[in-house]
Amino acid sequence: AQTVTQSQPEMSVQEAETVTLSCTYDTSESDYYLFWYKQPPSRQMILVIRQEAYKQQNATENRFSVNFQKAAKSFSLKISDSQLGDAAMYFCAYRSKNTGNQFYFGTGTSLTVIP
Amino acid sequence: DTAVSQTPKYLVTQMGNDKSIKCEQNLGHDTMYWYKQDSKKFLKIMFSYNNKELIINETVPNRFSPKSPDKAHLNLHINSLELGDSAVYFCASSPPPLIVAYNEQFFGPGTRLTVL
Repeated sequence: AQTVTQSQPEMSVQEAETVTLSCTYDTSESDYYLFWYKQPPSRQMILVIRQEAYKQQNATENRFSVNFQKAAKSFSLKISDSQLGDAAMYFCAYRSKNTGNQFYFGTGTSLTVIP
Repeated sequence: DTAVSQTPKYLVTQMGNDKSIKCEQNLGHDTMYWYKQDSKKFLKIMFSYNNKELIINETVPNRFSPKSPDKAHLNLHINSLELGDSAVYFCASSPPPLIVAYNEQFFGPGTRLTVL
């Protein structure tokens, strides 16, 4: 099974600053999807951004962008101009394109935004 | 319109009881899932199910069983509840992986189960 590792259990950032959350994964597959989910205190899981492995261009969604390094099996999330509402747990997830009803989640990073 | 709904949102019960959590999705997805999120926020897959295949995480006790009356519903039944079952349970659904435009999991709001 694939494994997803988030090595930062907790991170903090000053409001309006930039923070990067790290994620690495282990796979022998060449085509797959990667996701970042946000879970605020409301506990609802919200998709932040997705990346397809065959696309070399890094995905961006407004203030959120990823640094996808396929060879290094790294998929970090950059949050620019951090806002108080960004405070949440962030989960990285992997999905195989071919065998892919299974999703593999990392253990999460708790992000605190300091006013 | 709620894409994935769960009922109830909160469930408080005594040890030894049997309870069910209902899940419905109106997205037309083929695959549904149950996750358990413990106090450390770890998300643990319990089951995935589509109309062809049930995949059970081998670490899940057989007191837990999924029941799918139809493609849009996957309910979770728990027998003989134990203190350690206290957690937040999430239902989710997803389209097939080759639908590129949107292929993520869609989650329900979660059910916080407290066993006393």
